[in-house]
Amino acid sequence: GAGVSQSPRYKVAKRGQDVALRCDPISGHVSLFWYQQALGQGPEFLTYFQNEAQLDKSGLPSDRFFAERPEGSVSTLKIQRTQQEDSAVYLCASSLIRGEETQYFGPGTRLLVL
Amino acid sequence: AQSVTQPDIHITVSEGASLELRCNYSYGATPYLFWYVQSPGQGLQLLLKYFSGDTLVQGIKGFEAEFKRSQSSFNLRKPSVHWSDAAEYFCAVGARGSQGNLIFGKGTKLSVKP
Repeated sequence: GAGVSQSPRYKVAKRGQDVALRCDPISGHVSLFWYQQALGQGPEFLTYFQNEAQLDKSGLPSDRFFAERPEGSVSTLKIQRTQQEDSAVYLCASSLIRGEETQYFGPGTRLLVL
Repeated sequence: AQSVTQPDIHITVSEGASLELRCNYSYGATPYLFWYVQSPGQGLQLLLKYFSGDTLVQGIKGFEAEFKRSQSSFNLRKPSVHWSDAAEYFCAVGARGSQGNLIFGKGTKLSVKP
């Protein structure tokens, strides 16, 4: 079956530009996570959705970062006024229900801010 | 603070040799643990997971890991490495009863010599 997909796979943005990153989770998966992976680092948690509800956004690094999942399936991570330090790979993961279940990761979106 | 430590940034082994990748965690609650593998430009693929029960868990591609509560460790092993195992390996920990966001180590890059 289809896994988690993300688009675009690569994005080059000029500093100050807004970007939107899309995640299509596995069909029927309730939980959706966004992680940020800086170069040479492990992924770090950004935000969590259970269906359409954003239950935890404690990892979002600034108010320039915004995520939504309006219909409980596709999610979009938006970064406003991008900065160079936003350059990273943004990973999306989904799990069937919540909590202690396996998270299935997408291929990520590599964002480069110039 | 909750953390995951992978002490080895880069390991090189010869093809056919055995492998052990170290992972230590610091976590207040009883954890559940994962090992993921990431090939260049790819997302994270689950190798194995420990939730409860037998502390020696088997995964895909011939990998296994042992949970040692007394040492706060979850080391990954493989008896005979193949060239295709060259990749980056991440250990991750989650909290039981939580929403499920994971804390990752910084990763260990594995190179395989022919």
